[in-house]
Parts: sequence; structure tokens; C-alpha cells
Amino acid sequence: EVQLVQSGAEVKKPGESLRISCKGSGYSFTSYWINWVRQMPGKGLEWMGRIDPGDSYTNYSPSFQGHVTISADKSTSTAYLQWSSLKASDTAMYYCARHGSVSYSVYWGQGTLVTVSS
Amino acid sequence: DIQMTQSPSSLSASVGDRVTITCRASQGISNYLAWYQQKPGKVPKLLIYAASTLQSGVPSRFSSSGSGTDFTLTISSLQPEDVATYYCQKYNSAPLTFGGGTKVEIK
Repeated sequence: EVQLVQSGAEVKKPGESLRISCKGSGYSFTSYWINWVRQMPGKGLEWMGRIDPGDSYTNYSPSFQGHVTISADKSTSTAYLQWSSLKASDTAMYYCARHGSVSYSVYWGQGTLVTVSS
Repeated sequence: DIQMTQSPSSLSASVGDRVTITCRASQGISNYLAWYQQKPGKVPKLLIYAASTLQSGVPSRFSSSGSGTDFTLTISSLQPEDVATYYCQKYNSAPLTFGGGTKVEIK
């Protein structure tokens, strides 16, 4: 069974750094891209970017390029989303999602709620 | 980059009604379009891919059509469990942009 298990909720202060994770299991981790999707409170889904865990090649949305970093560790079948300096506007639910045979997202993690508040 | 525009942003319909949601791409995307359903407080779920192919397990009252720039998602007979927000997403190339969403409620 394919599973994506995300790390737990985080509460951070503005300016702090953060890395959240998404661990894949039940499939060949290096064979499928992993996407990251943001959902701000009461708002819609926003595609942030994706990574090919096989070679760590990434694509970013222009809206998120330079604000976050997506990475992956093949040895632990884990993808990461990280911030170097959080802002209050980063408060959101973040989902990881795995491609199917083509680039739509078939499997989703349970989400990680990030709250940034002073 | 290609923008995805959904309409309406919300709708209210009666149980049994036929419901149609539209998604428009600012440039042609062939049939590289997916639809997702997100129920309140839940994780998004893939409904349809390749513009018209129903994902396994999705009720047959859901259907979709379109190609190029204009797509529609139809619920043939709205059920209470269909209360959700529906999103389209292009996936021909990055960025894999979502539409703004359509919130479906029961009247």
C-alpha cells in the first residue's frame, strides 16, 4: 500500500527556520515525483513545486521560487520542504503528494499544519 | 505561465440536481487536466485525470469533458456526500497550477 506520512504540526516564530518531511512507503521512492502543495486557512490549493527523488531535480512555482527549498533523501525515502526564515504568511497546511504514471497527484500525505506567530 | 480559472467559485444546488463546474486554461493544455475533490477538513482526492478518465472507485455520477482550454466537471445527480470544494489542475508541464476552486453546497 502506497503511503505518504508527513511530520507533525509545527508552531514557529517569524524568522525561524523549519523543515517538514514526507516519508514514502509501499513503492519505489525514486520512481515518482513528489509535489508540495500549500493551503492557507480557508483558501484554495497552491502548487509549490516538486522533486524527482531519483536525481533531486526540482521545479518550483514562480510564486515560491527562492522562498522554500524542496529536497529528498533516497536513503530514507523522505522528501522535505524547508524555510530559512519563516513569515506569518507561511501559516498554512502543507501537503505532499505523489504523481501517478503521469503528473497528476494520486496519493496525498495527511498534511502538516505550520503556524507562524510571534 | 498558464493560469487556470474555475467558475463558479461557489454554488448551491438541491439533492438530485445536475451540477456543472467549468475550468478554463489561459493556453491550450491538450487533455492534461485533473480534477480533485476536497471535503471539509480532509485531504484532497483525485477524481478524474486525462480530462475525462474517472479514477478507480469514483462514483459514475462524476464525469468530465474538454480539451485544449475549456473543461467541465459534471455531477449528474448531486448527493449529500458530494459537498466539497472541487479543484482543477493542469499537469502538462510545470508549474502544475490549480484552479481557484468551486465550493459545492446543498440547498
